Amino acid sequence: NAGVTQTPKFRILKIGQSMTLQCTQDMNHNYMYWYRQDPGMGLKLIYYSVGAGITDKGEVPNGYNVSRSTTEDFPLRLELAAPSQTSVYFCASRPGTSGVADTQYFGPGTRLTVL
Amino acid sequence: AQSVTQLGSHVSVSEGALVLLRCNYSSSVPPYLFWYVQYPNQGLQLLLKYTSAATLVKGINGFEAEFKKSETSFHLTKPSAHMSDAAEYFCAVSDQGYQKVTFGTGTKLQVIP
Repeated sequence: NAGVTQTPKFRILKIGQSMTLQCTQDMNHNYMYWYRQDPGMGLKLIYYSVGAGITDKGEVPNGYNVSRSTTEDFPLRLELAAPSQTSVYFCASRPGTSGVADTQYFGPGTRLTVL
Repeated sequence: AQSVTQLGSHVSVSEGALVLLRCNYSSSVPPYLFWYVQYPNQGLQLLLKYTSAATLVKGINGFEAEFKKSETSFHLTKPSAHMSDAAEYFCAVSDQGYQKVTFGTGTKLQVIP
């Protein structure tokens, strides 16, 4: 198993550009998450999904969109990049076993800079 | 809503000394509690979790944490620090619905030779 993979690893965007951060998991997990990590701020939840076709907002969804058309993929879309979106983005997944606090697995992250 | 507070954004210990990283939680319902570790330029990795079974939880790499309801705490300890323990550690909380996890702001552990 490759686990959770994210592409690209690094990206520099200009203000107003758009891009999609890719996230794929090969563990057949139901739940998937997008977080952003800013220095000294911990991780903030952007969006999450409990299964294909179902997504919901997290704590900081403004400026982002997601879709979940398959179990494996959970792309994060930035439509109009702003400097405030400079951050490290992590995708995570977990099985979603009912009644069990199963383990969340994280990808290696995408480091995004908006100039 | 759940939240966690990690006391101390930076902690330094000598190699071989006790590691104590503090975490206090706020939750109106019995929580799930987690400790994650992040090594430089990597994603987070689960160290241990509390799910309302035993209050003393043992994790990987010799770490353990004790759930204390009366103190609303879930501090992480390791008896003897190793150089390889240098990393950032995050405490996290979820309600038992476990749809969303709320992370603390992290504590960077420095181990001095």
